[in-house]
Amino acid sequence: EIVLTQSPVTLSLSPGERATLSCRANESVSTYLAWYQQKPGQAPRLLIYDASNRATGIPARFSGSGSATDFTLTISSLEPEDFAFYYCQQRSRWPLTFGPGTKVEIK
Amino acid sequence: QVELVESGGGVVQPGGSLRLSCAASGFNFRTYGLHWVRQAPGKGLEWVAFIRYDGSNKCYADSVKGRFTISRDNSYNTLYLQMNSLRPEDTAVYYCVKGDILTALLFDSWGQGTQVSVSS
Repeated sequence: EIVLTQSPVTLSLSPGERATLSCRANESVSTYLAWYQQKPGQAPRLLIYDASNRATGIPARFSGSGSATDFTLTISSLEPEDFAFYYCQQRSRWPLTFGPGTKVEIK
Repeated sequence: QVELVESGGGVVQPGGSLRLSCAASGFNFRTYGLHWVRQAPGKGLEWVAFIRYDGSNKCYADSVKGRFTISRDNSYNTLYLQMNSLRPEDTAVYYCVKGDILTALLFDSWGQGTQVSVSS
């Protein structure tokens, strides 16, 4: 199966700062990578699909980039509601897999 | 809007069975692939199973293959997960998830989840 790793495990930042999250695959997934946000006690929400496309209703401060094995989720200026967990997910090959997640916390 | 409401979770002993249901509304149920995704306490997300829009194709994670069965009833807009031979490591919140229209492999709408606890 395709293994996704995410770094850092925890990102401590202040509102207004830029967040850069990384997701790496152990083999190429082309651009078939998505990002999800999950807040405590809530279900996840799709943010980015196919590496760089924002899902419906997602603010422009969220952007994704990358291809093959290396991907980045960038939040240009953190809002209070952005402090959450973020997961990447590949749909290149079965089984569908998620990364272990990055927690973005308030510094 | 899309609504997915899971039910059927609970506490069960190891080796026992449970059947989860997911009642869907707000979209054309019979045209979308659907998934179950789970999340163990304090852990990340794990994809569990997928069923094609017409039920003709199903896929499972290795961790549940042979024990869990995904099914759907397009007449009643309901998704199911039959879970047999449950193990403590199956303890998790189970989410019913709608796939996207193009690939069915993006998780574009999620239910709120139902808790399954396997313990003696």
